[in-house]
Amino acid sequence: KNEVEQSPQNLTAQEGEFITINCSYSVGISALHWLQQHPGGGIVSLFMLSSGKKKHGRLIATINIQEKHSSLHITASHPRDSAVYICAVRKASGSARQLTFGSGTQLTVLP
Amino acid sequence: EAEVAQSPRYKITEKSQAVAFWCDPISGHATLYWYRQILGQGPELLVQFQDESVVDDSQLPKDRFSAERLKGVDSTLKIQPAELGDSAMYLCASSAWSGGELFFGEGSRLTVL
Repeated sequence: KNEVEQSPQNLTAQEGEFITINCSYSVGISALHWLQQHPGGGIVSLFMLSSGKKKHGRLIATINIQEKHSSLHITASHPRDSAVYICAVRKASGSARQLTFGSGTQLTVLP
Repeated sequence: EAEVAQSPRYKITEKSQAVAFWCDPISGHATLYWYRQILGQGPELLVQFQDESVVDDSQLPKDRFSAERLKGVDSTLKIQPAELGDSAMYLCASSAWSGGELFFGEGSRLTVL
């Protein structure tokens, strides 16, 4: 079983809809990252959080440490939000504290 | 705005040939990562550097892959010989410290024929 699971794998929405992408993990973590990957391949870091909630523009990320769960919300979605959204966790133990990535959620927002 | 630079963006090669990728992290970033991403999957760590030292290369196929960061700044990832299964996106990322926010380059897409 993967240590980081994302759902859904694929999501299609109409422009303007509220979108939620979920991430569940099974290990103790020191931080969780939400990343955005566009078709060209480049990855942009959206959020790094270890508790509570962060907001940037139309994007909101929340994390529940006890439930080992995080959500990424997009309000008033737009076609330019179409991308792969990846959740990654940094384990709390281990010498290198490397990131473990989910397999991503492909979001398509239709005009 | 500071960026992580990678080259080449695209590389097509035949199996058994040698391939090299270059990465220049954001200035001052001590931690540098090389990831491999197969289509439809999340990135997989190949090697992590702290300054010029390797801190994790447990997933690096050392029989054919090598990585160096000689002066603790830019880095090179080499594959020799390339195999068909090496076709993937090779991503470089850097962070100011090992637990900090990651900044990714645009990636180098490798196709092995």
